[in-house]
Amino acid sequence: GIQVEQSPPDLILQEGANSTLRCNFSDSVNNLQWFHQNPWGQLINLFYIPSGTKQNGRLSATTVATERYSLLYISSSQTTDSGVYFCAVDPTGYSSASKIIFGSGTRLSIRP
Amino acid sequence: KAGVTQTPRYLIKTRGQQVTLSCSPISGHRSVSWYQQTPGQGLQFLFEYFSETQRNKGNFPGRFSGRQFSNSRSEMNVSTLELGDSALYLCASSPGGRTLRETQYFGPGTRLLVL
Repeated sequence: GIQVEQSPPDLILQEGANSTLRCNFSDSVNNLQWFHQNPWGQLINLFYIPSGTKQNGRLSATTVATERYSLLYISSSQTTDSGVYFCAVDPTGYSSASKIIFGSGTRLSIRP
Repeated sequence: KAGVTQTPRYLIKTRGQQVTLSCSPISGHRSVSWYQQTPGQGLQFLFEYFSETQRNKGNFPGRFSGRQFSNSRSEMNVSTLELGDSALYLCASSPGGRTLRETQYFGPGTRLLVL
């Protein structure tokens, strides 16, 4: 099946720093989304981005579908950005079983 | 609008028992998806319901089942619980049932511990 790999697995930054999180996928996908899970477990949808670039405040994301990767940029990090960031894909050409594959996440810690 | 609610929030069961978890979506949302999160396997998709029909199912054994009611509320059931079923179970709702093609709104989760 399709493999979804996220890097780095862990990232520790000072408040105010910028960061880039990467999501690689091994096969073509219909859709891709980025999520943030805060330290209390709440998951929040950040972007639906099967291709191109989107921006929302200090966050932006770019997906290059032909090269099978997506990037999440966080600028001027704040402590509230801490948590785990997941990407999830909906692979093409697969049966309905096992649709929606998540990466293992990047754990981001922002120090004050 | 009220957010997605899940009940109960915490649950302790013993092996062999069964459990039913409930999810109430945001008003007007017709799609509910369920996910399991464990330290070992990470986040995994369980199933998706839209207008009372299961549209997609993840790679889980038949002990995991679900249903959706006419008011879009959903329940999932796990029978014959195993230790490995200990997990955070998350549900998410979205308006039109296009899952990853539209924003999903997640509930706080139900944390299940199987002893």
